[in-house]
Formats: sequence, structure tokens, C-alpha cells
Amino acid sequence: EVQLLESGGGLIQPGGSLRLSCVASGTSISRNYVSWVRRAPGKGLEWVSIMDSSGSTFYTDSVKGRFTISRDNSKNTFYLQMSGLRVEDTAVYYCARPFRGNQFDYWGQGTLVTVSS
Amino acid sequence: QLALTQSPSASASLGASVKLTCTLSSGHSNYAIAWHQQQPEKGPRYLMNLNSDGSHTKGDGIPDRFSGSSSGAERYLIISSLQSEDEADYYCQTWGTGLWVFGGGTKLTVL
Repeated sequence: EVQLLESGGGLIQPGGSLRLSCVASGTSISRNYVSWVRRAPGKGLEWVSIMDSSGSTFYTDSVKGRFTISRDNSKNTFYLQMSGLRVEDTAVYYCARPFRGNQFDYWGQGTLVTVSS
Repeated sequence: QLALTQSPSASASLGASVKLTCTLSSGHSNYAIAWHQQQPEKGPRYLMNLNSDGSHTKGDGIPDRFSGSSSGAERYLIISSLQSEDEADYYCQTWGTGLWVFGGGTKLTVL
């Protein structure tokens, strides 16, 4: 059974940095795409970032230059390093597996990031 | 530009059926999509992958009450024998080259 578990969320001031982690079990992240998706309060799901199996990365426009996705295959864990955080980055962040880079077929339970002064 | 459109809300009675619609943007009518369910205070759950010909592959443990169909640029999620736990937000999702897109979501209320 594939399971994804996020951690690292919290309250952070605007301009600050935070690193989210996602530990995977039941699947090898080295052979799969990995991703982060968020849901801001009162809004819908928004894709944030994806890394493919070769290490190529993709970002939604609003986070380019501020967020970085990475992975540690030895720990079967991937990360989202967030810097220059803005109030509008406040959301629940979910890690998810994009099957063959297409549909997100497994999801974590989410970790809340609140950006506020 | 690749985009998905969903109605913000829908409602149906307990035990009835409901059909939710997701519309692909112009020029993308042959794209496959995925449907996801998000119950209150939970992470999203993958329901199915739905192709332009209506064929679909469901995720692990998804009941037979959930099915999908397609017509042109429209993709449908059909839920039969509605149960209280089906009250949730439903999102369609698709993908392109270096791009992943969600619809705005439909909030389903079970009356």
C-alpha cells in the first residue's frame, strides 16, 4: 500500500523560509515522479511543483524562483524548500504521486503552512 | 490555454444519482482527465482516470457506485446510490507538457 506522509508545516512570517518533507512508503520515489499540491483557504487545489524520475523540475509560475523541490532517494523522502514566503502562500500543502507524470494517484494528508505577521 | 471548468456546487438526495461535469478548454477535447474527491478535513483521494472515449480506470478501493463517461470536451463523474460520505469537493485534473491543471472544484451536498 502506497502511503505519503508530510511534515514541516507551521506559522512563519512573510519573507521567511520553511522546508516541507514527504516520506513515501510502498513506492520508490527514485523511479517515480513526485509532487506538491496546495489548497489555500476557501480555494481549490493548485499544483505547485513536480520532479520527474530523471530529476527535471517544474513549478507553477507564482512560486518560480522561491520554491525548490528535491528528493533523497536513500530516505525515500522528497522535500519542498520554500523561501520568500508570502501571505498568499498560506495553504495546506499535500504531497502526491503523479503516476507516470499524469494523474495524481496517491496523496498525503497535508501539512498546514500559515504565513502571517 | 489548457484549462478545466467545473460548476461550483451540486446537490442530490440520499440514495439518488448525480452527474458532475468537467469541461476541457477549446482545442483540448481529446485530453484525458482524472477525478479526485476531497472530504472535509481530509487529503484528496484519487477516484479515476477518464479518457476521451469514456473508458476509465478507477483507483484502489473505489466503489462501483463511482463511474465516468465522456462526450466531446466534457468529462463526467457519475455517483449512484448517494451516501452521506459522498458529500465532498470533487476536482477534475489534467496534464500537458510541463503543466498540471485542476478545475475549480464542485462542492457536492447530499440532501
